Amino acid sequence: GAGVSQSPSNKVTEKGKDVELRCDPISGHTALYWYRQSLGQGLEFLIYFQGNSAPDKSGLPSDRFSAERTGGSVSTLTIQRTQQEDSAVYLCASSPTSGGQNIQYFGAGTRLSVL
Amino acid sequence: KNEVEQSPQNLTAQEGEFITINCSYSVGISALHWLQQHPGGGIVSLFMLSSGKKKHGRLIATINIQEKHSSLHITASHPRDSAVYICAVRRGSQGNLIFGKGTKLSVKP
Repeated sequence: GAGVSQSPSNKVTEKGKDVELRCDPISGHTALYWYRQSLGQGLEFLIYFQGNSAPDKSGLPSDRFSAERTGGSVSTLTIQRTQQEDSAVYLCASSPTSGGQNIQYFGAGTRLSVL
Repeated sequence: KNEVEQSPQNLTAQEGEFITINCSYSVGISALHWLQQHPGGGIVSLFMLSSGKKKHGRLIATINIQEKHSSLHITASHPRDSAVYICAVRRGSQGNLIFGKGTKLSVKP
């Protein structure tokens, strides 16, 4: 597709369940980012991937959060044993590289609600 | 103290007014971004700056690296400009962005 695609757009789950959120970046973009926007809060960085380098996981809030990027393209963010405080909009972005002069293109996000 | 501070937090303007949103940061950066987030949630990148000034239509963004400050200006504001405007900086060689809390702009007809 032309833009960054995220699925599902909405996800409602019960506390304690695992969830997987998917991101399809723009074709050819080597850098991929996951961010989170909690209700009433600003955006916060979670993790980013650049090519074949080890991902920067410094923003992941706990070891319940993990992410993979297969084949340098699609990425999956997994949240295990979800908690109510995990409820947020999870945004994915991609850019041609991770260099400082590249614009990041954002997906529409996945709204996660943990009941 | 947040590394990226925006002001004002909320702004209401009448259609046609000139609008300024400010962003100050406390870290060394390689680039500063202005983003727009509409009520539906989609985020659009408006500008990326590392120096000087950029203009796109009615939008102007400036940055002063020495003062660690950037401004986003909207000329002849219109109700469709109503959105949250977010300032974000990229530190050095790191890829991820650090975000301000956003400025919610409402332009009344």
